[in-house]
Parts: sequence; structure tokens; C-alpha cells
Amino acid sequence: GAGVSQSPSNKVTEKGKDVELRCDPISGHTALYWYRQSLGQGLEFLIYFQGNSAPDKSGLPSDRFSAERTGGSVSTLTIQRTQQEDSAVYLCASTLRDTQYFGPGTRLTVL
Amino acid sequence: AQSVAQPEDQVNVAEGNPLTVKCTYSVSGNPYLFWYVQYPNRGLQFLLKYITGDNLVKGSYGFEAEFNKSQTSFHLKKPSALVSDSALYFCAVSPFSGGYNKLIFGAGTRLAVHP
Repeated sequence: GAGVSQSPSNKVTEKGKDVELRCDPISGHTALYWYRQSLGQGLEFLIYFQGNSAPDKSGLPSDRFSAERTGGSVSTLTIQRTQQEDSAVYLCASTLRDTQYFGPGTRLTVL
Repeated sequence: AQSVAQPEDQVNVAEGNPLTVKCTYSVSGNPYLFWYVQYPNRGLQFLLKYITGDNLVKGSYGFEAEFNKSQTSFHLKKPSALVSDSALYFCAVSPFSGGYNKLIFGAGTRLAVHP
């Protein structure tokens, strides 16, 4: 596709369940970022992957959050034992050179 | 601490009038500066960026932004607003030259253009 895609677009889960969010970056983009957008916190950086380098995990809010990027392309953000405060829109972006291009996001609702 | 400020939660403009959405930043070095727009239930769309060179940069949909180093500002402007410009606008800064770094976002400014 032409842009960054994310799935699912919406996810409703129960507190305590694990969820996986997927991001397909733009083909050829070498860097991939995850952000979280919530009412109280605005847009927050979570994690970034650049080529074969170790990811920058400095934005992950707790050890319940993890992410991986397989084959330098698709990335999965996993949230274990979800809490209600995890409810937010999770945005993925990929980068070629200077500009980050964002996907449509996954809206996560934890009941 | 590095930060981006968008002092106005909302900007109201009449269609056809010029608009300005303000952004100031507190980041060391020579950051890259960006504006993004978000329409309801959509992701962020890139509008424009400043890296170096001319302080006035032009972007998508007729928007432009002026970089002012002494005031550490990067205000978004458009000479004639359209109703379809109504959306949420985010200013963002990439703290280090090179681009491959996290973005620090402002809180966002909602632009409402009235017919």
C-alpha cells in the first residue's frame, strides 16, 4: 500500500487481557515509531526501531508493554495484562530520512 | 526539559481570513520542526517541516510556517482559511539533527473555521 497501515482499527478488551497491535510501515522505510495518544497525556513517544540497531524503548510506560519488529518491516506492540489507563489511540509511524508518516491508529478501549 | 508549547487550545477564524496557529519550543541544539494535522478519527498527516535554510517554509494545502530562532517559535499560517481546514493541529520537534529521533509534540490546537 501507499501508506502506513495498522490493525485492528479498533480493539475492545477486558482488563487483564493481553492485546497485540500491528503496524505495516511504508515499504523501504527504515525507521519505525510507536506513539500513544490519550486525552490526559497528549501524544507520547513509546518506542522506535532503526534498522538493525537496538530499539529505543525509553518511552514504554511499564514492563507490560513490549514491541518487536520482524524482518525490518512489520512491527507488533504487545500490552500484557491491560489496565483501563492503557485506553488510548496507538499510532505507528515510519520514516524515510527526516519525516515521520503516520498510520490511522488503533483505538484501544479497556473495559 | 525539552518541550513544545501550543498556547491556544482553540483558534476560531472566519472563512477567507488569515489564520495563525502558534508554537514555541524549548529544545537544545538545532532541532527539526514539524506541523501535522489530524482530522476526526484519522491519523496524523504531515503538513510541513523546517530543517535548515529559508525561515519561511511552505507545505501542503496552502499552509506555511515561519521559523524564528531568536523567539524559538514555529508558527503555522495560511493567508485565507477554508472551512475544510477545521481540524486539530500539532507542532512537533525532533531534538537532534539527523531526523531519526522521537518527536516531541505540543498539546495540539483545534482550528475552527466558520463560514
